[in-house]
Parts: sequence; structure tokens; C-alpha cells
Amino acid sequence: DAGVIQSPRHEVTEMGQEVTLRCKPISGHNSLFWYRQTMMRGLELLIYFNNNVPIDDSGMPEDRFSAKMPNASFSTLKIQPSEPRDSAVYFCASSLAEGSEKLFFGSGTQLSVL
Amino acid sequence: DQQVKQNSPSLSVQEGRISILNCDYTNSMFDYFLWYKKYPAEGPTFLISISSIKDKNEDGRFTVFLNKSAKHLSLHIVPSQPGDSAVYFCAARGSGTYKYIFGTGTRLKVLA
Repeated sequence: DAGVIQSPRHEVTEMGQEVTLRCKPISGHNSLFWYRQTMMRGLELLIYFNNNVPIDDSGMPEDRFSAKMPNASFSTLKIQPSEPRDSAVYFCASSLAEGSEKLFFGSGTQLSVL
Repeated sequence: DQQVKQNSPSLSVQEGRISILNCDYTNSMFDYFLWYKKYPAEGPTFLISISSIKDKNEDGRFTVFLNKSAKHLSLHIVPSQPGDSAVYFCAARGSGTYKYIFGTGTRLKVLA
């Protein structure tokens, strides 16, 4: 199994540009999570999906952030417009079932907004 | 408003000695706790968990202790090895939810 696959690994963009982060969860996993890691706040949950349906998006910072899961094998996190304070590592994780203790994380996308 | 707190950003321990990583939480509704380990340029990986009905769980060199009255848990690594050098995240889940809240992490360095 290839694990959770995220792309790109690194993204450098200018303030105001649209950024799209992509995630392919492990095949057969029903839950998908987007986390953001910063020094100050650690790993923050942004949104999670169960069976492709968004269950809790209370962690999404503001309207500039949106996430979709059009099918069981693909999810995107979009930031439009991006700002320098969005610079962080964004992780996608999936789990076999809702409530499973084991989240399998991707390697993350390092986002830098200049 | 950090519901899960790891107050020590870093810890250095000599190889072979015990490493103790601490975590405090504020929400009494949390009923499941986990530790994850993260190496540079990789995503976090699951290490060990504990349910609120227990006060201890062991897995090889790793033991997690839970003190519900103090809202405190700790991860003990004995003996510590250089390969244990990583960032360790504590996480908690509320009863009836599937939302894991993570702490800010503690960077452990095991010195050879």
C-alpha cells in the first residue's frame, strides 16, 4: 500500500494567489482529515470527512479556505486568496473507519506564501 | 485556546535512560488519548493509545499513564534509543466525537 499521498510536497506562492493542495487517502479508508501544523498551535484539525461528506469544518480558519472530497480517493484543500500567515505544513490523514484510533498521515505539503 | 497542552517544547535524554513526555488537557469530556511520533519531512505515525477507563497501557518500551483527576497523561520510553529522537504529539478525542485534538508537540533528542 502506498499510504496517504499528498501533492505537492512543497508550494511557494505569492500573496493573493490561489493554492490547491491534494490528497489521495489509503484505499478503503472511510474518513479523511486535513490538519495544519504550526509552531504555535501544533497540529490543528481543519476539517474531516466521513464517506466523502464533510462532518466537521469548525477548524477552517475563514472563508478563504475550502475543502472538497468529490470521491473516496481524492480530496482538495483550497486557499483563495492566500496570505503569508497561511504558511505552514498541511497534512492529510485517513482512517479505516470513523472513530478509528489510527490516523495514517501523508508526508505533508510545506506551503510558503510570500 | 489549547485544549491539549504539551508544555515542554523539547527534551534531551541520554541513551539508555528513561524519557518522560508530558501532556495536559482541559476538557473532561475527552475519553481517548493517543501519542504520535513524527520524524522530519514525514507525517506523524501512531505510537500508542489509552482509553479513559484505564490508567496505564504498555507496548514494548513505551508506556502511557493517564491520571484523569489531574487531567494529565505521560509517555514513558525505557530505555531510550537514538532512533527515538523525534517530535511527539499527544492527542485527545471527546466522547461521542471523532475529532482528535493534538498538542503542540515535544521534540525529544536522545543522546548517544
